[in-house]
Amino acid sequence: QVQLVESGGGLVKPGGSLRLSCAASGFTFSNYYMNWIRQAPGKGLEWVSYISSSGISIYYADSVKGRFTISRDNAKNSLYLEMNSLRAEDTAVYYCARDNGYDSAWRFDYWGQGTLVTVSS
Amino acid sequence: DIQMTQSPSSLSASVGDRVTVTCRASQNIRSNLNWYQQKPGRAPNLLIYAASSLQSGVTSRFSGSGSGTDFTLTISSLQPEDFATYYCQQSHTTPRTFGQGTTVEIK
Repeated sequence: QVQLVESGGGLVKPGGSLRLSCAASGFTFSNYYMNWIRQAPGKGLEWVSYISSSGISIYYADSVKGRFTISRDNAKNSLYLEMNSLRAEDTAVYYCARDNGYDSAWRFDYWGQGTLVTVSS
Repeated sequence: DIQMTQSPSSLSASVGDRVTVTCRASQNIRSNLNWYQQKPGRAPNLLIYAASSLQSGVTSRFSGSGSGTDFTLTISSLQPEDFATYYCQQSHTTPRTFGQGTTVEIK
């Protein structure tokens, strides 16, 4: 069965850095686009970034552009999010999500359990 | 960016009720609209994709309709496990944007 397991969250000071990982299993990871989506405490969902199956195409939300870097290692079935210059407003649960574009109907069909990032002094 | 607006923000309903949640896009997104259910402390779960296609494994109590700018999620007969927050999300363009959520509470 499809599994996505995030790790790497924690408490970090403003201006600090953190690297999130997402380990994928149960499907051919290299065939799928992947995303990071976050949810601030008590708030709604915010898409953060996506990376194409090959890693060539990458997009970011304006709120993280220039500070966050998404990457993937298809040999290790892993997705990453390098987060720099962290701000209090980056505090959230970060989810990795598989992007299924079968029939050109793009949707996030599997999600990890999330990892909490807290930015506070 | 395409703005997604859900209504209502919350509603109270009883078991067995028919419940409707609406989602409006700020521009034409054709049928590129998905619905997710999220329970407290859990990751979102895909219910409906492409406006009206039921995700595999999801009960047929859930249905979706609409195209263009106006969409609807319907729960035909509310069950105890359906009390949750529901989000719409457009996949027409990047950034992929979500509605603000609709919380379905027990009356």
